[in-house]
Amino acid sequence: SAVISQKPSRDICQRGTSLTIQCQVDSQVTMMFWYRQQPGQSLTLIATANQGSEATYESGFVIDKFPISRPNLTFSTLTVSNMSPEDSSIYLCSVLTSSKLFFGSGTQLSVL
Amino acid sequence: GNSVTQMEGPVTLSEEAFLTINCTYTATGYPSLFWYVQYPGEGLQLLLKATKADDKGSNKGFEATYRKETTSFHLEKGSVQVSDSAVYFCALSAGGTSYGKLTFGQGTILTVHP
Repeated sequence: SAVISQKPSRDICQRGTSLTIQCQVDSQVTMMFWYRQQPGQSLTLIATANQGSEATYESGFVIDKFPISRPNLTFSTLTVSNMSPEDSSIYLCSVLTSSKLFFGSGTQLSVL
Repeated sequence: GNSVTQMEGPVTLSEEAFLTINCTYTATGYPSLFWYVQYPGEGLQLLLKATKADDKGSNKGFEATYRKETTSFHLEKGSVQVSDSAVYFCALSAGGTSYGKLTFGQGTILTVHP
């Protein structure tokens, strides 16, 4: 299994600002992912965080809006840039290990 | 593209009732199928999975069978408890290099009353 620590757990931000979410795993993992869960909606994959190379984004998500860093095999960050109220969501980090996908507890973001 | 459709909720049951949450999918190839559960105030947890046709995943009294002919993966439990109250998500993975990339259903809120 994997223990994932995600920070912050929640935040309230002003529109136009940026927030960086951190994801720390207790073991080295090759594959890390970022998901978004909009209010009342299901989870949607934002991107795959690749160690040592640029993240791979899913359709509808772009690097300028959601820059991702992956400096090593246990850590990743997701930045939500130039926020608007439509970015209010829960953002989740997940890791793939032993053929299982584990999720962090999420960051609940509210944009005013 | 891939998609997952879950029965609409919320679902409200009395303790010891039988539970079924329907899940159907659309995918090319042979996806792996999952049920995830999100208890109040907690993160997503894998409940069970099945990786090929006719496989049955089971955990904590919950079961789901991978039915390729009907493209379904319905979740069942014979006797629910109050502690089963949570949001349940059906999901699929296309497999291969996309194994960690899940497509989720919309989630079903389950409330169990004593």
